[in-house]
Amino acid sequence: AQSVTQLDSQVPVFEEAPVELRCNYSSSVSVYLFWYVQYPNQGLQLLLKYLSGSTLVESINGFEAEFNKSQTSFHLRKPSVHISDTAEYFCAVSDPNSGNTPLVFGKGTRLSVIA
Amino acid sequence: NAGVTQTPKFRVLKTGQSMTLLCAQDMNHEYMYWYRQDPGMGLRLIHYSVGEGTTAKGEVPDGYNVSRLKKQNFLLGLESAAPSQTSVYFCASSFGPGELFFGEGSRLTVL
Repeated sequence: AQSVTQLDSQVPVFEEAPVELRCNYSSSVSVYLFWYVQYPNQGLQLLLKYLSGSTLVESINGFEAEFNKSQTSFHLRKPSVHISDTAEYFCAVSDPNSGNTPLVFGKGTRLSVIA
Repeated sequence: NAGVTQTPKFRVLKTGQSMTLLCAQDMNHEYMYWYRQDPGMGLRLIHYSVGEGTTAKGEVPDGYNVSRLKKQNFLLGLESAAPSQTSVYFCASSFGPGELFFGEGSRLTVL
């Protein structure tokens, strides 16, 4: 079964500084990978996803993630964060060959942007 | 453009009481899910459904029951609530085992 590890439970960073949120998954021949964001008192929203093709995927608000098969990683990055990026971020993985098996989520990383 | 709607949004129960959380989606999705979110534990899957009339257990199914009598609705029941079931519950739906669309959550407190 797939598993996801988010190495940092909390990441504080100053406004306009770069940030990287780390995500590793258990190895598989093929995977779909996702990052979700949860703003305070809200549900989760899809931030970006990797299904196939280019290993670098981007979101509309400046985040990007790179699928690295050899490292089994899908780290999330942003070159300059804003206060509004303060949220909890979840990495998730699914195996497209596993039939109906649902997404597996990591435990989340709380990003706090400091003014 | 409702998406996924959960009711109620807040509920306080006494130990031993029962209740049902309702999830409704208007996107014609086949798959529906119930998760619970607790501090430091991330999201844990309780039960899920891959189509009308089907249900399956997730990671933490004990103490919960579900039903999917209609494609658009997925009900989560607690027959005898316990303090350990104090949590925020999220419903989600999807076309398949990929991108999920989440509701805004239901906060349950069991005293």
